[in-house]
Amino acid sequence: AQKVTQAQTEISVVEKEDVTLDCVYETRDTTYYLFWYKQPPSGELVFLIRRNSFDEQNEISGRYSWNFQKSTSSFNFTITASQVVDSAVYFCALSDGGSNYKLTFGKGTLLTVNP
Amino acid sequence: EPEVTQTPSHQVTQMGQEVILRCVPISNHLYFYWYRQILGQKVEFLVSFYNNEISEKSEIFDDQFSVERPDGSNFTLKIRSTKLEDSAMYFCASSVTTASPYNEQFFGPGTRLTVL
Repeated sequence: AQKVTQAQTEISVVEKEDVTLDCVYETRDTTYYLFWYKQPPSGELVFLIRRNSFDEQNEISGRYSWNFQKSTSSFNFTITASQVVDSAVYFCALSDGGSNYKLTFGKGTLLTVNP
Repeated sequence: EPEVTQTPSHQVTQMGQEVILRCVPISNHLYFYWYRQILGQKVEFLVSFYNNEISEKSEIFDDQFSVERPDGSNFTLKIRSTKLEDSAMYFCASSVTTASPYNEQFFGPGTRLTVL
């Protein structure tokens, strides 16, 4: 069975600080896919980033970066120079390499960026 | 930019009533999904739909639930006899092709279902 754990339930930072959101996953599949979604107060789910299991190269996209480490089953997400508009719940999600590609979500981390 | 749309945005119903939640996925997408999120909790998978049939369903998706793609654009979730515990936000999602599960799922804005 797949499982995603986001141990941080809430994080509060001051604007312009960097913040890292942790995600640990469990899967028996050798091929899988990891995602981060953002849920602002308005409620919609917004896709942010994705990574597949056979590509551990870490990347930066604007103020977002991620650190994927298979050895520790972690897929952490960093926001650099946080802004008030970054305040949201952030979900880490896992999709296996089998059929249907359903997403298994973590419980989410509520990020509050204070001015 | 194409997007997934859902109607209504908020549905209030009495326990035991039937509700139909509607979704219009992105037009060239082939996989469709329903998820739900009970207030303050994580997003949970309900069902996936491909090639006009259910491809996978979760334990939550019992006989009270059904999905349908009645025409080329709409994708509906029906709850036959609603219970108080069905109160949640219901998200529809779609993704591109079977070519790669690497394709992210695009979510609609959700329908908040309140069962009284």
